[in-house]
Amino acid sequence: GQSLEQPSEVTAVEGAIVQINCTYQTSGFYGLSWYQQHDGGAPTFLSYNGLDGLEETGRFSSFLSRSDSYGYLLLQELQMKDSASYFCAVSPGAGNMLTFGGGTRLMVKP
Amino acid sequence: DVKVTQSSRYLVKRTGEKVFLECVQDMDHENMFWYRQDPGLGLRLIYFSYDVKMKEKGDIPEGYSVSREKKERFSLILESASTNQTSMYLCASSRSTANTEAFFGQGTRLTVV
Repeated sequence: GQSLEQPSEVTAVEGAIVQINCTYQTSGFYGLSWYQQHDGGAPTFLSYNGLDGLEETGRFSSFLSRSDSYGYLLLQELQMKDSASYFCAVSPGAGNMLTFGGGTRLMVKP
Repeated sequence: DVKVTQSSRYLVKRTGEKVFLECVQDMDHENMFWYRQDPGLGLRLIYFSYDVKMKEKGDIPEGYSVSREKKERFSLILESASTNQTSMYLCASSRSTANTEAFFGQGTRLTVV
C-alpha cells in the first residue's frame, strides 16, 4: 500500500516563504506531484518531480529526494490567494494511478 | 478548455438506495479516477481505470463498484448506500504518461439519509 505524511496546517504571513513537507512510503514509486485546492473548488495541478532535485514554476518550487522518500513544496512571496489546501500525491507505477496525502491547509495572514 | 464533468453537484439519497455517480471527460484521456474527500482524510482513491472495461481497486473500494464502457465515461456505483458514504466525491482523468497532470471535476456532494 501507500502512505503519505504531510502537516495538517501551516500559517504564514503575506510576502513570506513557506515550505510544505511530504514523506511517503509506497510499494513502487514513479513520481511526486503537488496539487492546490481552494475551498469549494477542485484540486488543480501545480508540479511534478520524477527525478531528484528542484523544479521551479514561478513563485512555486518542488523538491524530491527519492533516497529519503521525501519531497517539499516551496511557496515564495506568499499572497493572500495562496490560502488553500495543498496535497502531495505519488504515482506508484507507470500507469499513473495517483494516491494523495491528507493535505496541508495553508493560511496566509496579512 | 479541458473538462471533466460530474453529473450532479449535490445529491441526497436514502439508505439502501442504489446510487450512480457519472463522470465524463472530453480530453481522450486513458486514465480515470474516483476519489472521496472527507475533512482531515485528504483524497482517498476508490477506483482507478486505465482503459475501457479495465479497473483497479484503490484504497477504499468496499461498498463501491465502477463501470467504464466508453473511454470518456466513468461511473461510480454505490450498490446500497449507507450513511458512512456521505462525502464529497471527485472524479479525475489523466493521460497514461509519467508526468501528466490529473484534471478534476467539480465534485458531487452526496448525502445519504
